Amino acid sequence: AAGVIQSPRHLIKEKRETATLKCYPIPRHDTVYWYQQGPGQDPQFLISFYEKMQSDKGSIPDRFSAQQFSDYHSELNMSSLELGDSALYFCASSPPLGAYNEQFFGPGTRLTVL
Amino acid sequence: KQEVTQIPAALSVPEGENLVLNCSFTDSAIYNLQWFRQDPGKGLTSLLLIQSSQREQTSGRLNASLDKSSGRSTLYIAASQPGDSATYLCAVVTNDYKLSFGAGTTVTVRA
Repeated sequence: AAGVIQSPRHLIKEKRETATLKCYPIPRHDTVYWYQQGPGQDPQFLISFYEKMQSDKGSIPDRFSAQQFSDYHSELNMSSLELGDSALYFCASSPPLGAYNEQFFGPGTRLTVL
Repeated sequence: KQEVTQIPAALSVPEGENLVLNCSFTDSAIYNLQWFRQDPGKGLTSLLLIQSSQREQTSGRLNASLDKSSGRSTLYIAASQPGDSATYLCAVVTNDYKLSFGAGTTVTVRA
């Protein structure tokens, strides 16, 4: 069965650089969520999209932005990177609302900021 | 704001013993609750999803119960194996549809 795809799997950037993380949801899933998991921390919700519109926003810094495209894939853009942005970034997708909203997670992108 | 707590933070048991992992949440107005498994540095694997109207879900050796009114869920893993060693995360969804995670219980099953 198809799963959530994230790319790249690993990314190394310098401080003040920009990074773009990509997420491809499971086919026919219309909702995408982004989570950030710092070292030894539990995942924290960043932002979500439903039918290409932002549906909710969590603890996402102003330096970050995201969008969902017409094919439902999503990109998280991170600018002016800081050392504290080093974390695992997960994308999850869920089927159309009403189908229990089970979230299926991708393998994550490990971002290291030097 | 939903607060999710998992106790204990770590657990070490000999192979074959049953595991009991606890999760509590402060806001009982949840939509559903998911249990995940995470291996070190890896992604999140969904184990069980319990709807707010359900009392329990079972999958193989795993059984999860939900008592929404008291804000508690318990994950039981029967006859533990070394391959069960991982961190288990509980997460709840309230009506805004985002997951609020607990800090996890790290399980070590000794051979």
